[in-house]
Amino acid sequence: QKEVEQDPGPLSVPEGAIVSLNCTYSNSAFQYFMWYRQYSRKGPELLMYTYSSGNKEDGRFTAQVDKSSKYISLFIRDSQPSDSATYLCAMTRASKIIFGSGTRLSIRP
Amino acid sequence: GAVVSQHPSWVICKSGTSVKIECRSLDFQATTMFWYRQFPKQSLMLMATSNEGSKATYEQGVEKDKFLINHASLTLSTLTVTSAHPEDSSFYICSAQSSGQETQYFGPGTRLLVL
Repeated sequence: QKEVEQDPGPLSVPEGAIVSLNCTYSNSAFQYFMWYRQYSRKGPELLMYTYSSGNKEDGRFTAQVDKSSKYISLFIRDSQPSDSATYLCAMTRASKIIFGSGTRLSIRP
Repeated sequence: GAVVSQHPSWVICKSGTSVKIECRSLDFQATTMFWYRQFPKQSLMLMATSNEGSKATYEQGVEKDKFLINHASLTLSTLTVTSAHPEDSSFYICSAQSSGQETQYFGPGTRLLVL
């Protein structure tokens, strides 16, 4: 069993829709939870970074962490074609980042 | 802020040659740098962790004699793929982290193709 599970998709939604991306994890030692966005042939870009359970909002993005269920989510409101990318959840333990496999998202105009 | 660059962005080489990839933190001091590789449609896999002035720590299954890592300054780390073979073709990405921070900032990646 992988430490971090993420549905690879692909996920295709119409422009303006709310997107929900999710990851589950098995190791309760994970301390920090992040979401990265990666465009094709580019390095990952940090989108959101949280430590505790609960919600954190930044513009159209909301990150949610539920440590009791070992479940994290990223919501994208008013999705735009420019949001089309691969989204990677990531978590840290002992200063190492463990990535999910990434979900490929496509926003249809 | 927190910009990380990599050079070159892509490289094609013949089998048996060595290739050096540079990773630089442009606007902060990176006490720790990480090297990842990523195969198409797969996630990033950590290869090694390097702290400035120390030997790198390699992940299980990564050959340290094949992937030489140097982190001689707080803004520069290099990865040298020695005697590259076609199976080493991949996307190599570095990240940098400053002291006391959990966040890693990633470079744009280097695409290596070994013929």
